Amino acid sequence: ETGVTQSPTHLIKTRGQQVTLRCSSQSGHNTVSWYQQALGQGPQFIFQYYREEENGRGNFPPRFSGLQFPNYSSELNVNALELDDSALYLCASNPGGRSRDTQYFGPGTRLTVL
Amino acid sequence: GENVEQHPSTLSVQEGDSAVIKCTYSDSASNYFPWYKQELGKRPQLIIDIRSNVGEKKDQRIAVTLNKTAKHFSLHITETQPEDSAVYFCAAIFNTNAGKSTFGDGTTLTVKP
Repeated sequence: ETGVTQSPTHLIKTRGQQVTLRCSSQSGHNTVSWYQQALGQGPQFIFQYYREEENGRGNFPPRFSGLQFPNYSSELNVNALELDDSALYLCASNPGGRSRDTQYFGPGTRLTVL
Repeated sequence: GENVEQHPSTLSVQEGDSAVIKCTYSDSASNYFPWYKQELGKRPQLIIDIRSNVGEKKDQRIAVTLNKTAKHFSLHITETQPEDSAVYFCAAIFNTNAGKSTFGDGTTLTVKP
């Protein structure tokens, strides 16, 4: 088991609402990425943060936004929720250095939008 | 951008047999290729990875091969066991964009006892 944690585990929201998901990176990891995993599909890259700055973004609209804090924990915010936003949201952290490519995933937050 | 195709989508084998899952990628700049195992309701876990300067890597019953020219890589599991049953994902990364992985759609492996 890795040290990446996420909260909450499950969340139910209604269309149009806003949600904040949280991720605590493994100790010493300064890079965090967020992914959306729809049922039966592979994770889709949302964005990455490195030392509190966004360091790349996938094909997701601006209503998906994020933050990384000085302790390298992170948040994913989604505004104006849509039904299609229902998915498992995963964060993953990288240790940097020679292992900078290696990602360690958290357990995910299951978001259901009704 | 990068596109990763993974085959087959489902694979059923008898315990003790071998299983092979194949992925192709489109961006020749990709140079890091991890494989993840995801059990139902759990997080993806890295099981093996390979970098573009290596053609093959093995870790006990698991091996990965990479053909850069053809832009495909494969996961090989030998002597399969029921606990190998899970969804397996491949991914391709250009390592200066660490974390921006492009994943395949997964292969559901079932190992029958």
